[in-house]
Amino acid sequence: GNSVTQMEGPVTLSEEAFLTINCTYTATGYPSLFWYVQYPGEGLQLLLKATKADDKGSNKGFEATYRKETTSFHLEKGSVQVSDSAVYFCALTFSGGFKTIFGAGTRLFVKA
Amino acid sequence: SAVISQKPSRDICQRGTSLTIQCQVDSQVTMMFWYRQQPGQSLTLIATANQGSEATYESGFVIDKFPISRPNLTFSTLTVSNMSPEDSSIYLCSVENWAGDSYNEQFFGPGTRLTVL
Repeated sequence: GNSVTQMEGPVTLSEEAFLTINCTYTATGYPSLFWYVQYPGEGLQLLLKATKADDKGSNKGFEATYRKETTSFHLEKGSVQVSDSAVYFCALTFSGGFKTIFGAGTRLFVKA
Repeated sequence: SAVISQKPSRDICQRGTSLTIQCQVDSQVTMMFWYRQQPGQSLTLIATANQGSEATYESGFVIDKFPISRPNLTFSTLTVSNMSPEDSSIYLCSVENWAGDSYNEQFFGPGTRLTVL
């Protein structure tokens, strides 16, 4: 079946540290991959996406590259800020109205 | 993009009662989705609601417990019926962005935080 596995949290970093949140997937085809972010008390919002192999999604200093050979879509940021504290969800979907499958989420705490 | 609002934003309810959550989108959309997010958990899809047809429920969710209405292309409601403390969750409405020939990312409402005593 199709699934998404993320590294467990919480992840606690100091401001300006480097961030990696691992995400791997299992899929029977070639999905689109997403990272969503959920700030405290809010709904989810799209952070970045990649729709085919070797695509790199980027937004707000975050990046993730679609790696078909390792079935991964790791999220990275070179220098985190306190305002990046949130829960991050990796997700996949297929075209044609297929439902989106979410990972368990990784909570990030950034300390000043 | 789509802007989604939900009402109520939060509620505290008594066991055995029902709550109806409203979801309003600022544009016409074909499919709307209802998710549950239990404390500290990921999202679980409850059902997909298409305008003009019965909602499609995921395994473990039934219409009697979570009736859904979809009267038009911009609005949907989810009712949580005969509530118990186990129904305490955040309930999220979402829609998919139609990008040419395929569906793409999802847009989410702010959620309804439900506490059942």
